[in-house]
Amino acid sequence: QSALTQPPSASGSPGQSVTISCTGTRSDVGAYDYVSWYQQHPGKAPKLLIYKVTQRPSGVPDRFSGSKSANTASLTVSGLQAEDEADYYCSSYAGGNNFLFGGGTNLTVL
Amino acid sequence: QLHLQESGPGLLKPSETLSLICSVSGGSIDRSNYYWGWIRQPPGKGLEWIGNIFYIGSAYQNPSLKSRVTISVDTSKNQFSLRLSSVTAADTAVYYCARWFGSSWEDAFDIWGQGTMVTVSS
Repeated sequence: QSALTQPPSASGSPGQSVTISCTGTRSDVGAYDYVSWYQQHPGKAPKLLIYKVTQRPSGVPDRFSGSKSANTASLTVSGLQAEDEADYYCSSYAGGNNFLFGGGTNLTVL
Repeated sequence: QLHLQESGPGLLKPSETLSLICSVSGGSIDRSNYYWGWIRQPPGKGLEWIGNIFYIGSAYQNPSLKSRVTISVDTSKNQFSLRLSSVTAADTAVYYCARWFGSSWEDAFDIWGQGTMVTVSS
């Protein structure tokens, strides 16, 4: 199975909101509410932001929110801050004990 | 505070077997209802799931790597490991170990190691 599809890049100005999409198929994103999102700064390990489509682990600011419609999941970053500049990856269960990541989106804070 | 640390050779030749260990500290690998996983990231590219294992040994692997991947757990040493056979340059990547914070696919990787770079080159 192919990786989930994310736009290569996204951008926004400080204080604005940005939404990053993650498109899969009826067999993965569309079939399960098991979508997660990770943030990765350069040279660092990924950090979990969202799991089960909308759930935030403790310590993750509520500026980060997730949603899903059909085969596409989305991550919205509200009130953009300079430290939000990073790569963002979605992931989803794909059935048959298989798991997929998206290709990643590089978010630039202008 | 749970801490994961990857270790292993950083340079391999084509056709060799990659062997990495993830040492877990700050908690017991067999006293919690968690899976433990491996993920890799080629230079400048995205993340790729390699596989997950439960402390009793049940494991799942990425179908595209399954024929070459073995994931095992050693509860006596509080660590789990990855073996990837017949490596090629395409296996050059940063390899991460991570905790999957539950026993269901609805969960996620919540604690990650710092990653270790593995280069395959003749």
